[in-house]
Amino acid sequence: EVQLVESGGGLVQPGGSLRLSCTASGFTFSSYWMHWVRQAPGKGLVWVLRINSDGSNIKNADSVKGRFTISRDNAKNMLSLQMNSLRAEDTAVYYCARGRMTSETTTRLDVWGQGTTVTVSS
Amino acid sequence: QSVLTQPPSASGTPGQRVTISCSGRSSNIGSNAVNWYQQLPGTAPKLLIYSNNQRPSGVPDRFSGSKSGTSASLAISGLQSEDEADYYCASWDDSLNGVLFGGGTKLTVL
Repeated sequence: EVQLVESGGGLVQPGGSLRLSCTASGFTFSSYWMHWVRQAPGKGLVWVLRINSDGSNIKNADSVKGRFTISRDNAKNMLSLQMNSLRAEDTAVYYCARGRMTSETTTRLDVWGQGTTVTVSS
Repeated sequence: QSVLTQPPSASGTPGQRVTISCSGRSSNIGSNAVNWYQQLPGTAPKLLIYSNNQRPSGVPDRFSGSKSGTSASLAISGLQSEDEADYYCASWDDSLNGVLFGGGTKLTVL
């Protein structure tokens, strides 16, 4: 079964750090670009970052530039999100998702994890 | 424009046909494919329509998508109670250099 499972969420104080993980199974992880998408409580989906299949190319939304880092370990089928300098507005459910495309502009997110909740509060 | 524009809500009765619109600009919908995602209450999003009008395996043909210019639509025919969910359109945005989502439409089955 194709599956993504996130972990690492929790409560963190403003200015703190947290590292999220996403473990993939059931498909050749190293062949796919991967994305992080977040959803604040009661709000819509927001794309955050993406990484290409070998980890050499990364893009991120302006809202997390310089604070969040995406990485992957293809040997362990694992995607990571290092979040530093966290703010209250980073409070959200964070989803990892698999990207499918013929070119980057045709990207669709065809497999999603169940999400992990990050709460930034003092 | 930070999001694609969708109506916040839509509704219909069982068996009806409903449509949800999604408006963008030339840097996103106007030049790139549109995808639709369904998010049932308390669950992760699920890909519903991709490349404007393609259904992934397992998605009923009651769901269809279309695109014209800088707008797109999702149509649901033969509405069922289990279709009650939030629906999001999305498209690659050349200015953002990333995926841009719509604000979401909450569909209520009356």
